[in-house]
Amino acid sequence: AQKITQTQPGMFVQEKEAVTLDCTYDTSDPSYGLFWYKQPSSGEMIFLIYQGSYDQQNATEGRYSLNFQKARKSANLVISASQLGDSAMYFCAIRRNQGGKLIFGQGTELSVKP
Amino acid sequence: DAGVIQSPRHEVTEMGQEVTLRCKPISGHNSLFWYRQTMMRGLELLIYFNNNVPIDDSGMPEDRFSAKMPNASFSTLKIQPSEPRDSAVYFCASSLVADTQYFGPGTRLTVL
Repeated sequence: AQKITQTQPGMFVQEKEAVTLDCTYDTSDPSYGLFWYKQPSSGEMIFLIYQGSYDQQNATEGRYSLNFQKARKSANLVISASQLGDSAMYFCAIRRNQGGKLIFGQGTELSVKP
Repeated sequence: DAGVIQSPRHEVTEMGQEVTLRCKPISGHNSLFWYRQTMMRGLELLIYFNNNVPIDDSGMPEDRFSAKMPNASFSTLKIQPSEPRDSAVYFCASSLVADTQYFGPGTRLTVL
């Protein structure tokens, strides 16, 4: 079975500062992928970043980076230079590499203060 | 490029009525997923299809729920009869097999 734990229900960050959203996971699969999605108040689910379990380097996409620590089973999302538009719910998810369903965490609500 | 299209965006119905949610995946994608989001249970998979064939329907709550994918560009999720506890946001997502899933805007269902 796979499980995602996001321990921060809510976070605040000052505009232009960096913030780290925590995600730990549990899986018995040798090969898997980790995903982060953003859900703004409008409700859509927006894909942000992906990390494969065998990737040697941490994934980066613009202001988003994933701090992947396989031994600790953590996949934290780092957002640099926060913007007001980053205020949203953020979900971490895991999936087997062969495909199939995403298992989501409960999410972290990020609020960016001006 | 068109993303995943879902209709309707909002649905309000009375208990006992039939509800049909529709989804058009991204062209070329061969996997389609139906998820449900509630405050209590978060985001959960209901069912997914590969190449129009249902692969995993273990998340379908009960016999009142059914899903079909008659072709590569269309899927439906039907609830009959609907109950207040079915109120949720229903997302459709699509992907290439084993690739990133892209979500539609969701259908917010309210059952009175």
